[in-house]
Order: sequence, then structure tokens, then C-alpha cells
Amino acid sequence: DIQMTQSPSSLSASVGDRVTITCRASQGISNYLAWFQQKPGKAPKPLIYGASSLQSGVPSKFSGSGSGTEFTLTISSLQPEDFATYYCQHYNSYPLTFGPGTTVDI
Amino acid sequence: EVQLVESGGGLVQPGGSLRLSCAASGFTFSSYWMSWVRQAPGKGLEWVANINEDGGRKNYVDSVRGRFTISRDNAENSVYLQMDSLRAEDTAVYYCARGGSHSLWGQGTLVTVSS
Repeated sequence: DIQMTQSPSSLSASVGDRVTITCRASQGISNYLAWFQQKPGKAPKPLIYGASSLQSGVPSKFSGSGSGTEFTLTISSLQPEDFATYYCQHYNSYPLTFGPGTTVDI
Repeated sequence: EVQLVESGGGLVQPGGSLRLSCAASGFTFSSYWMSWVRQAPGKGLEWVANINEDGGRKNYVDSVRGRFTISRDNAENSVYLQMDSLRAEDTAVYYCARGGSHSLWGQGTLVTVSS
């Protein structure tokens, strides 16, 4: 099974900050990597697929990069509504697995 | 409106069964793989199972293989999860999601396994 790790596990930031979250896969997954945002009590919201493609309707302040085993999610200018937990997920092989999440506190 | 709506959750005793349903609308359901993903209280996300467009291919996480069965009815635009031999550790919110990259999610349905 491919293990996904995320760093940091949590971070505190201010409105307007640029925030970067890293996701690493235990083996190469090409670009089969997605990112999600989840707020308490809500379903995950898809942000990125194919490591760097924005899902429809997602603002351009979110961007993704990487390939192989190391990936990043960047929020260019943090806003209060971005307080949430962010998960990465690979879909290269079975079982599909998620990272443990990164909680962003504003 | 493009959406997924889950139903069928509830309280069940250990060893019991439950069938979850997910109704799709607003997109061509028969063109997509569909998944079930769960989230235990206070925990992260765990992929459970998925099924291909015509229902001929199914994949499961090891912890549910042999106990859970995923199926779909393209005429009804629905995907199902039959859960048998339920355990306390199956307690979670269960979401259905579209495609391999999980580009669309439902609101979830809570399954509680407890005596």
C-alpha cells in the first residue's frame, strides 16, 4: 500500500499569509494526486486533481504542484474562510489512501 | 443541480447489516467510477470501495473486503454499499464520491455500530 504523509500536521497563520502544505507518497504516483478542504461537520470539498489542476469553481488562490512522490498545496493569500483541514489523496493504485490532514488555524 | 445524496445510515448492533444508498443527479452517472469513503468520529478520511462505470469491476480496502459489497444501478443513477458483519470500528460518516479523484461528494450519512 502507498502511504501518504503530510507536513505540517497543523499550522497557525494570519490573514493575507501565503501558506504551503506538503504531501509525500511512499512510492511514485505520477500526478495521480488530489487535494481536499474540509470544514467541521461538512463533507470534503475537492480543490485540486492531477496534482495541479483546479476543480471547477475553486478560486485561483489555491494551487498545486509536484509529481512522483512530493507534492505541495499553496494558498496564496489566506482568508478567514480558509480555516479548515486539508487532505491529500492518491489515486494511482489500490487501495486509494488519504494523508492524515493538515489543520490550518487563522 | 449536480449532486450526490446519501441515505440509509443509522444505529445497528455489532454483527448486524445496513445498506447505504447514494442517489446521483445532474450528470451522466453511467460515465463515472463511484466510491464510498468514510470518516470515523474525529478521524481522517478512509477510502472504502469503488466500482467502475458498468459495475463489472469493484475494489475494496482490506478491512471491509468480504463484509461489504458495492453495487450500482445506472437506470436508477444510484450506487449502494451493503454492509454486513458490522463492527464497532465501522462507526463513521459514510460519503459517496464521484470518480477516481473524488471530484464530487455527498453530504454523508452516519453509521453507528453499538450495542
